[in-house]
Amino acid sequence: AQTVTQSQPEMSVQEAETVTLSCTYDTSENNYYLFWYKQPPSRQMILVIRQEAYKQQNATENRFSVNFQKAAKSFSLKISDSQLGDTAMYFCAFMRYSGGGADGLTFGKGTHLIIQP
Amino acid sequence: DTAVSQTPKYLVTQMGNDKSIKCEQNLGHDTMYWYKQDSKKFLKIMFSYNNKELIINETVPNRFSPKSPDKAHLNLHINSLELGDSAVYFCASSLPGLNTEAFFGQGTRLTVV
Repeated sequence: AQTVTQSQPEMSVQEAETVTLSCTYDTSENNYYLFWYKQPPSRQMILVIRQEAYKQQNATENRFSVNFQKAAKSFSLKISDSQLGDTAMYFCAFMRYSGGGADGLTFGKGTHLIIQP
Repeated sequence: DTAVSQTPKYLVTQMGNDKSIKCEQNLGHDTMYWYKQDSKKFLKIMFSYNNKELIINETVPNRFSPKSPDKAHLNLHINSLELGDSAVYFCASSLPGLNTEAFFGQGTRLTVV
């Protein structure tokens, strides 16, 4: 079984600052995906970024980037030039690659990120 | 065009009642899921279906029964509702393979009184 740990229940930064959210995971699998999802107050789950474990290059999506350290089982999210609209719960998630699919996501407990004006 | 839609968005009901939450996806995905988000925001998978077949059934009380009439729909029936069933329930779908990504519905907030 997989576990995902987010050690920061809440973080608060000023607008335009850079913030890093931590995530570690434990698995015996070799092929898997890692995700960061954002959940704003509207409660919609929005995919922020995805990383395939077989890729060494860290994923980036505009202001969002990850630091994926496979050996350390670490997957942190960096948000650059933070904006008020980034205020949300952020969930780190793991999914085993099973070829035929249907494996679900294992989530961390989330980090509540607050961007202050 | 809503990719994954759930109805209703809010559901308030009394203990002991039976209720259903419907989910439909128009993405052509093969796999659908139900997740439960508790009051502390913790998300946990309940079920997954692949092409109408049950694949994952986590330790969920058998009062919860998913039903998939076709691969675009996955409904959740809950019998004899209890106070502890109060939560937000999310439906999601994905296309298995190397580029998989789960798309979520907007969630159904279930309140049992």
